[in-house]
Amino acid sequence: EAGVAQSPRYKIIEKRQSVAFWCNPISGHATLYWYQQILGQGPKLLIQFQNNGVVDDSQLPKDRFSAERLKGVDSTLKIQPAKLEDSAVYLCASSLEETGDTNTGELFFGEGSRLTVL
Amino acid sequence: AQKITQTQPGMFVQEKEAVTLDCTYDTSDPSYGLFWYKQPSSGEMIFLIYQGSYDQQNATEGRYSLNFQKARKSANLVISASQLGDSAMYFCAMREGGSEKLVFGKGTKLTVNP
Repeated sequence: EAGVAQSPRYKIIEKRQSVAFWCNPISGHATLYWYQQILGQGPKLLIQFQNNGVVDDSQLPKDRFSAERLKGVDSTLKIQPAKLEDSAVYLCASSLEETGDTNTGELFFGEGSRLTVL
Repeated sequence: AQKITQTQPGMFVQEKEAVTLDCTYDTSDPSYGLFWYKQPSSGEMIFLIYQGSYDQQNATEGRYSLNFQKARKSANLVISASQLGDSAMYFCAMREGGSEKLVFGKGTKLTVNP
């Protein structure tokens, strides 16, 4: 079974430039998450999709961050314009829609996209 | 208020010994789940073990076990017979009932010495 795919793995940009990250979740996983992980910290949820609808974007800085999940599969996270404090690893994760006896609802993560803003 | 607290920024253990990584949590929801993830230097988060709030027994997965003390709101990870490949960051996370998102602690860096 293929895992969560993310690209690019690394990106270096200057402040005020824009950047986009792409994520392809595990086939059949209805829920997709974008997390931001700043160096030395745990991941922080930015946005959660259920199919192509947004479930939680309360911690997404909407003045500069945007995300979409067209057709309920792939997702793109965009930052425009980037700030120095956006330097982080952006982790995409997916999970099955419902928990149950055989499903703990754990999140499956991609390898992340490391962003450096200069 | 911090929902997940990991008080050990770093831990060291000798190869083949056991190590306990601490995690305490805060919730008023009677239904919740607790997770531990491993993050090697490659960056990917790897699921290790899960404990549901209603589970009667402590979860075990191979060399990993979860010491779940509900009254104390702690969910410590125990790794037995440490291996060099266990060196990584370890994150405790919680999902509250009715929500699918995970809230993570700040992590503990484990170093296994030969």
